[in-house]
Amino acid sequence: GAGVSQSPSNKVTEKGKDVELRCDPISGHTALYWYRQSLGQGLEFLIYFQGNSAPDKSGLPSDRFSAERTGGSVSTLTIQRTQQEDSAVYLCASSLTSGGPVHEQYFGPGTRLTVT
Amino acid sequence: KQEVTQIPAALSVPEGENLVLNCSFTDSAIYNLQWFRQDPGKGLTSLLLIQSSQREQTSGRLNASLDKSSGRSTLYIAASQPGDSATYLCAVPLDRGSTLGRLYFGRGTQLTVWP
Repeated sequence: GAGVSQSPSNKVTEKGKDVELRCDPISGHTALYWYRQSLGQGLEFLIYFQGNSAPDKSGLPSDRFSAERTGGSVSTLTIQRTQQEDSAVYLCASSLTSGGPVHEQYFGPGTRLTVT
Repeated sequence: KQEVTQIPAALSVPEGENLVLNCSFTDSAIYNLQWFRQDPGKGLTSLLLIQSSQREQTSGRLNASLDKSSGRSTLYIAASQPGDSATYLCAVPLDRGSTLGRLYFGRGTQLTVWP
């Protein structure tokens, strides 16, 4: 079946511009996560959506970052007034949760963001 | 806060060798442990998931073990092949806290298998 998809695969933008990154999770997966992988850094958590609950935004690095998830499916990560330190690979993951133990997370191919 | 460490950071071996990659974590209150593979410029591919109640999982030439109480996991790769060359990441979610399922990642082991 279809996996997690992300678009665009690559994005080059000028400093100060806004960007939107899109994630389509696996159908039926209620949990969705955004992570960021910067050069020389490990993967860091950004934000988490679970069903219709309010998202957990505890990993967002600044108020320039926001995300939404429409209809419990597609998610968009928005970065306003981009800075060079925002350059990274942004990864989205989804998992099937049922209130029990945490399930396996499936990752998309990522969006490579370069801020010039 | 969960800290995940992977040793070694890089490994270069000839084809055919059996390998052990190590992962350690500071907080043993985990739901499970997941091993991923990442190829250059690509996303993460899940290799194995070990539930906290399990001791090991096997998939083909891969075997992962988990010692939850001591905060350690190993990924064993048998008869390595050049196609195994990639970065291997381990990740754990805590079984408490508001962000259920949030993964804490190690920095990875970059593996190169040469013919």
